[in-house]
Formats: sequence, structure tokens, C-alpha cells
Amino acid sequence: KQEVTQIPAALSVPEGENLVLNCSFTDSAIYNLQWFRQDPGKGLTSLLLIQSSQREQTSGRLNASLDKSSGRSTLYIAASQPGDSATYLCAVRTQAGTALIFGKGTTLSVSS
Amino acid sequence: DGGITQSPKYLFRKEGQNVTLSCEQNLNHDAMYWYRQDPGQGLRLIYYSQIVNDFQKGDIAEGYSVSREKKESFPLTVTSAQKNPTAFYLCASDLGRNTEAFFGQGTRLTVV
Repeated sequence: KQEVTQIPAALSVPEGENLVLNCSFTDSAIYNLQWFRQDPGKGLTSLLLIQSSQREQTSGRLNASLDKSSGRSTLYIAASQPGDSATYLCAVRTQAGTALIFGKGTTLSVSS
Repeated sequence: DGGITQSPKYLFRKEGQNVTLSCEQNLNHDAMYWYRQDPGQGLRLIYYSQIVNDFQKGDIAEGYSVSREKKESFPLTVTSAQKNPTAFYLCASDLGRNTEAFFGQGTRLTVV
């Protein structure tokens, strides 16, 4: 059964710092991996989708990488801002299933 | 604007009562999903539907029911058989397993 793990569970950084969030998954037979952002009490906002054939995707200050063979993805946030404070969720879509399987998330706090 | 609308935002249920959460999308997506989110846990799949008039149970379907009579709508009923329904419920949709998933803003259900 696919399991998704996100480390660390929480992270606090000062404004302007570059940071990396980690996601690992146990079954490398995936269609894609998606990173989401969730603000308190809100729904999920899609940040980046990486297909299994891709190595990375970029959107503004965000860069997500995928190493399918090792079961790892990272989300790199450049020049962090207080507005980046949120919970970041990683989810994979396996070839054996249909729906996304989620990690528990990393809660990021960026102080000014 | 295209998107997923969940209503109500907050819902209170009395013991032994059935309640229905609404999810409507105007993205012309074929697949729709219901997830449950509890503090400290990842999102867990309740039900999903890949086509009108068809749906499948997810990991925690007991005590819940759904219908998919229209492509745009996928309501979730929380029945009295669900013993611990207090949670944040999220609806999602996409065009299929190779595509980006989008989420609504969620419904917070509380048992009173």
C-alpha cells in the first residue's frame, strides 16, 4: 500500500531564507505527484503537478523535483515571505489506484 | 470563474441525524472525490466517482453515502451510522488520473 511521508512536520524560518520541503513515497509506480498549499480553515490550492516522466516543475519562486526511482520529491521555495506561511501537502497518484494519496503535510511559518 | 463550490461552509449535526454536504463543479471534470481531514492526519478518501451514475468506496466509506446523478454535482451524506463525523470535509475534481486535481474550500462539520 502506498504511503506518503513529509518531513519535517513543522518548519520555522526567517523571511528571505531559501527552504526545502521533503516528500517521500513507498511505491514508485506513480502517474504523478502534486504539491498543494493549505491555509488555516481553507481548502487546498494546487501549486505544482509533476508527471512521472518529468524531473521538475517551476512556478515563480517554487520549484518541485521528482526522483521516482528513489521515491522522493522536494519543494524548493526561494526567498521566503511571511505570506508563504501555510501547510504544504504532497500527494501522489498511483498506477494501482485512482485518487490522490496524501502525506500529513509540513506546516511552514515565515517570520518577518 | 470556474471552480468547485462546497456548501455550507459550517454545518452542525445533532446525534442521530443525517446531513448532506454539497459539492458542485463547473470545470467539466469527469472525476469527483470526497476526502475527510482530521487534525494531525492526512486527507483520507471517502468516496470517488469517475463517471455519472457510478461511484466507488474509498478507505473510510462506512457511515457515508453519495450520489452522482449529474456530472457537476457529487453530494455527500453523513449518516447516523458515522460515529465520529466531526471533521473538515473536502471535495475535489479532475479530468482523470493524469491530470491536476482541484479542491473546494471545504465544509466543517461539527456534532452538537
